Amino acid sequence: GENVEQHPSTLSVQEGDSAVIKCTYSDSASNYFPWYKQELGKRPQLIIDIRSNVGEKKDQRIAVTLNKTAKHFSLHITETQPEDSAVYFCAGTDQAGTALIFGKGTTLSVSS
Amino acid sequence: NAGVTQTPKFQVLKTGQSMTLQCAQDMNHEYMSWYRQDPGMGLRLIHYSVGAGITDQGEVPNGYNVSRSTTEDFPLRLLSAAPSQTSVYFCASSYSSGGGGEKLFFGSGTQLSVL
Repeated sequence: GENVEQHPSTLSVQEGDSAVIKCTYSDSASNYFPWYKQELGKRPQLIIDIRSNVGEKKDQRIAVTLNKTAKHFSLHITETQPEDSAVYFCAGTDQAGTALIFGKGTTLSVSS
Repeated sequence: NAGVTQTPKFQVLKTGQSMTLQCAQDMNHEYMSWYRQDPGMGLRLIHYSVGAGITDQGEVPNGYNVSRSTTEDFPLRLLSAAPSQTSVYFCASSYSSGGGGEKLFFGSGTQLSVL
């Protein structure tokens, strides 16, 4: 089945810096790659996603890039702010293309 | 709309006890799923359902049962609780399928402790 690996597990940046989180996936048939943000004590929420027919997608300060050949995708956050501090999860689809399989998460800390 | 509602929010069980975690959604979503979240392990898929009467196993199904008799409800049953099942459990739903490009809506979670 699908295996999604996420790095790094923790990331600390200064306010205003950029942050990059990388994920790799194993199933070449996967075609949907979302990113979820989970603030402390809250439920995960979708922040951005990308499909396999697109190489890059942006939404204000966040962007996601996809390299299908290398089977990896990345989340980029520019001009980080303290409210970006959270756990970020990447995900890929299972072999049947039905369920989402999540990475282990990255804890991002933005200090001011 | 209430979205995805999970009950209870907190539960303490003794080893060997059974219980059911409830999940209900009022968005007419066909797809529903259960995840468990443990420190350093991310969100791991337990079971999922693509519609009433249809369920399938995820990554970590052992020790858990599910059924889907209605579109709205997707309960998760712990048959004989073990300390290894101490975790935070999230129910999530989407319109058609979680992997098909649909946004997942999560419930607020159930924190379960098994002593």
